[in-house]
Parts: sequence; C-alpha cells; structure tokens
Amino acid sequence: DAGITQSPRHKVTETGTPVTLRCHQTENHRYMYWYRQDPGHGLRLIHYSYGVKDTDKGEVSDGYSVSRSKTEDFLLTLESATSSQTSVYFCAIGPGVYEQYFGPGTRLTVT
Amino acid sequence: GENVEQHPSTLSVQEGDSAVIKCTYSDSASNYFPWYKQELGKRPQLIIDIRSNVGEKKDQRIAVTLNKTAKHFSLHITETQPEDSAVYFCAASTTSGTYKYIFGTGTRLKVLA
Repeated sequence: DAGITQSPRHKVTETGTPVTLRCHQTENHRYMYWYRQDPGHGLRLIHYSYGVKDTDKGEVSDGYSVSRSKTEDFLLTLESATSSQTSVYFCAIGPGVYEQYFGPGTRLTVT
Repeated sequence: GENVEQHPSTLSVQEGDSAVIKCTYSDSASNYFPWYKQELGKRPQLIIDIRSNVGEKKDQRIAVTLNKTAKHFSLHITETQPEDSAVYFCAASTTSGTYKYIFGTGTRLKVLA
C-alpha cells in the first residue's frame, strides 16, 4: 500500500463536538482527497487539495472544513459533529490528476 | 450535476465463470475511468484503469472496455475465483470545477465455490 496513514482509525464522539481527522502521506504526492463512504452511496468527495494551502470543495462539503499546511498532512475537521456525519472516512492521495490511492479509513460514530 | 450509474448492485457467479459490471457516465468530457476493488473492512484498491484514447485494456484476468460514444465502460473478470469476491467501484473523471472523480455506487460480487 502507498505510504498513507489515517488517524484515528476509530472514533466515537457526541453530537455538537468538534472532530479532526488526520491524513498523513510519505509519498510526496501533490493531490490529497477526503471521501466519505456510506451504504448505498459509494464514495463521495468531501474536499480535496491540489497543493499546500490549495483546497476546494467536493460534492458533500457542508459541515466540513480542511487544511493543508504541509505536503504530507491533510486535515478534515467537523466543526460540530452531527449524527448524519457518522460514516467511514477515507483519505486518498495522487501524484497527478489521474490515479488515487486510498488510506486505511477512519470509522467515525457520532452519538 | 455529473453522475455515474453502476449495474448490477449485486452479482453472484459460479467459480470459473465470467463477471461483467457496467457503468454509464454523464460528463462527455470525462477522460479517465478507474476501477477499484474493496474487500470487507479494507480500503478501496485500484485494480485497473483506462483513458479515453483507448478502447480496451487487459491485465491478466481483468479487462476494461470503454465506449465513449455511448458513454459507458465495463469491467470484465474471467475465470473468477473466490478471492475475487468483493465490492467493485467504477469512477469517471469530471472537470466540473476542478478535475476529480465521481464514483458509482458499487457492485457486490460473490463468487460461489
């Protein structure tokens, strides 16, 4: 697997609390992505980054923000978690606009 | 918005038979089509991809075909084995905004021994 890790791997949090998920890569890839995976919906893009400090919204960005201050780290923040944000979150990286390689995922439960 | 439809949602085949999964896309500017395999509890893994200037690509027992006129592409798995059992996702690139993927909703393939 590509040098990509996610932390934490599992998290349970309460409604209304802030949550930050971290994606870390050792491949020096320019592109990084955050997806959520829910039954019946496949993988949906939340936010992505095409360089340090360069980010943009995906198709399901409401309630999420991101930051990328270093090439290797891409952070996803849920400002005030809601039950609808219970999901499995995958980070992906890519050397260019084509191939994307996924991290191991983070299972988030909001109670 | 742009869309990718994937069929069937579930597929059961006997070991040794072939499996075909089909996807259609809506963005006529799409030019890259990857396929991912996801085993239970694991990350999606890129298994094969095709670019719009190619009609077919093979890698051992898997192949992908692309029909740009009809805007559909398919994954073909021959001589299926139990370890092929997984969920398969197709995706299509889109330039709506900045270049990114839209994924299909997945096909659960079961290979029966």
